[in-house]
Amino acid sequence: AAGVIQSPRHLIKEKRETATLKCYPIPRHDTVYWYQQGPGQDPQFLISFYEKMQSDKGSIPDRFSAQQFSDYHSELNMSSLELGDSALYFCASSPGRSSYEQYFGPGTRLTVT
Amino acid sequence: QKEVEQNSGPLSVPEGAIASLNCTYSDRGSQSFFWYRQYSGKSPELIMFIYSNGDKEDGRFTAQLNKASQYVSLLIRDSQPSDSATYLCAVKGTNAGKSTFGDGTTLTVKP
Repeated sequence: AAGVIQSPRHLIKEKRETATLKCYPIPRHDTVYWYQQGPGQDPQFLISFYEKMQSDKGSIPDRFSAQQFSDYHSELNMSSLELGDSALYFCASSPGRSSYEQYFGPGTRLTVT
Repeated sequence: QKEVEQNSGPLSVPEGAIASLNCTYSDRGSQSFFWYRQYSGKSPELIMFIYSNGDKEDGRFTAQLNKASQYVSLLIRDSQPSDSATYLCAVKGTNAGKSTFGDGTTLTVKP
């Protein structure tokens, strides 16, 4: 079965650079969530989209922005990167924002040096 | 106080034993509850969800929910070494869809 696709899987950036993370949800899933997981920490909700509109916002820094496109894929744009942004970034998709199902992608490991 | 709290680990059980993982949540309006398994460096994998009081069984896994006590647990029967992972409890509240995670409990099943 098709799963959530994230790209790139690994990314190394320097401080103050920008990064773009991409997420391709499971086909026919219209809801996308972004989570950040630091080392030894639980996933922290950043932002979510339902039908291409932002549906909820969590602890996402102002330096980050995200959007969901007409094909339902989503991109997380990160600017002025800081060392503390180094983490695993997971995208999850769901067939509807009220659905009990939420499937996580493999994640993008971002390292900021 | 965290919105979702899990029993501190790590938890170690012998192969074949029952592993019991516990989770409490603070938002009384929470509607659905999830258990994820996460292997090191991998993404969380949904094991079970539950939204009604009582027990829900799926194979070797049983989720238990008590909304009055704001408590949800996961029992793993006949634990296997392959069950060794971090187990994350997650709660969906009244907001649209987002999940709030606990810190996770690391389980080790010893052969």
